[in-house]
Amino acid sequence: ETGVTQSPTHLIKTRGQQVTLRCSSQSGHNTVSWYQQALGQGPQFIFQYYREEENGRGNFPPRFSGLQFPNYSSELNVNALELDDSALYLCASSFTSGSSYNEQFFGPGTRLTVL
Amino acid sequence: DAKTTQPPSMDCAEGRAANLPCNHSTISGNEYVYWYRQIHSQGPQYIIHGLKNNETNEMASLIITEDRKSSTLILPHATLRDTAVYYCIVRATSGSRLTFGEGTQLTVNP
Repeated sequence: ETGVTQSPTHLIKTRGQQVTLRCSSQSGHNTVSWYQQALGQGPQFIFQYYREEENGRGNFPPRFSGLQFPNYSSELNVNALELDDSALYLCASSFTSGSSYNEQFFGPGTRLTVL
Repeated sequence: DAKTTQPPSMDCAEGRAANLPCNHSTISGNEYVYWYRQIHSQGPQYIIHGLKNNETNEMASLIITEDRKSSTLILPHATLRDTAVYYCIVRATSGSRLTFGEGTQLTVNP
């Protein structure tokens, strides 16, 4: 069974640029959640995708957007990067059945640095 | 989701049991208690979760008080590799997100 994978591992961008982060969910999972973790803080929920649609969103501006593909993999896109976007971006996959959400399993994360 | 309170840091001797407390006094009847841990710069790792009964798996035991207002995660024989930040999270099964607090930095000493 393959776990959650994320790419790239590290990324350096400059302010104003756009970035796309990728996540492959664990086998058998149909839901992907994205989190942002600033240095020294706990992860903060960005949004979740289920059935290729956004299914819940945290307190993040619209320049944070995402996609989920038919194979359940997902992308996180961030436009107009700001210095405060520098963080570890975590993807978590889980299996959703009806209105029941099960435990989430996290990938290793993508470290984004904005200069 | 209910808010949780955890001590910021704890120490434990290698080979001894590590008991990590969590208060969740506003927990609702349909909310589960989840525990995750995060080793430095890695993604959080799921440990265990429970509703009201005590739970045990190969990693840890979870003890939930009868009134469900607090819980304790027990690592029975801590090793140096258990050094990590441990997060206690309360979440309803109908809730899509995990709300992480500050967690407890557990340091296992040789």
